Amino acid sequence: DADVTQTPRNRITKTGKRIMLECSQTKGHDRMYWYRQDPGLGLRLIYYSFDVKDINKGEISDGYSVSRQAQAKFSLSLESAIPNQTALYFCATSDRRGGSRETQYFGPGTRLLVL
Amino acid sequence: QKEVEQNSGPLSVPEGAIASLNCTYSDRVSQSFFWYRQYSGKSPELIMSIYSNGDKEDGRFTAQLNKASQYVSLLIRDSQPSDSATYLCAVNKMYSYDKVIFGPGTSLSVIP
Repeated sequence: DADVTQTPRNRITKTGKRIMLECSQTKGHDRMYWYRQDPGLGLRLIYYSFDVKDINKGEISDGYSVSRQAQAKFSLSLESAIPNQTALYFCATSDRRGGSRETQYFGPGTRLLVL
Repeated sequence: QKEVEQNSGPLSVPEGAIASLNCTYSDRVSQSFFWYRQYSGKSPELIMSIYSNGDKEDGRFTAQLNKASQYVSLLIRDSQPSDSATYLCAVNKMYSYDKVIFGPGTSLSVIP
C-alpha cells in the first residue's frame, strides 16, 4: 500500500461548488503539505502544517482552506471553486527529524477540473 | 528574482550522452539541495540530495554544489530514454522550520 494516499484521484466540478481533497499518510511524519502544479509554473505551496496545531499559509492560499484532523490526515477545501483552480494537486509529507535535510514524499496527485 | 530558477527546457540529448541540468538560488543561507524527478502525470520523487560544496555521485547521477556561486547542477551520464522526465530543483534553508522551495523544473528528453 502507498505511504501517502490522496482521494479522489480525479474530480470534475462546477464553478461555485465546494469540494474537499483528502490526504492520508502512514509514514508517521509530522509535517504535511498541499501543492498545486500548473504547466510551466512548477510546484506552488498552498498550505503546510508542521503538526496538528500548526497550520500555515503558503504562497497561494487565497480561495483554499485546510484542516489537519489528525497527524495522519490533512484535507484541502475549495470553498467556491473557480476555473482558475483547475490544476494537479499534490499532498506531501516530511519528517522534522530530518531538519533542513528532510525529504518530501508525495502522494499520487489529484487532477481537478473546474468547469 | 525567483528564489529558485531553472532553465525550463526542453533539453534534448541523444541516448548515451551526458545530460546537464542547472539550478540557481537566491538565498545565501540555503543549506540543503535536492533534485526530484517527475514523470509526466506522476508525483515527484527524490533522486539526489547534496549539502556540501563539491560533487556527490550516485550511480549515473552526479550532483554538484557551489555555494559561493549559488549554483547546483545534476549530471546524468549514459542518458537513457527512461530518464526522460521533468527534473525539479529544491532548496531548503538552515532552520528546520523553513519550508522547501521548488524551482519550476527542467524538461529532459532523451532521444533513442
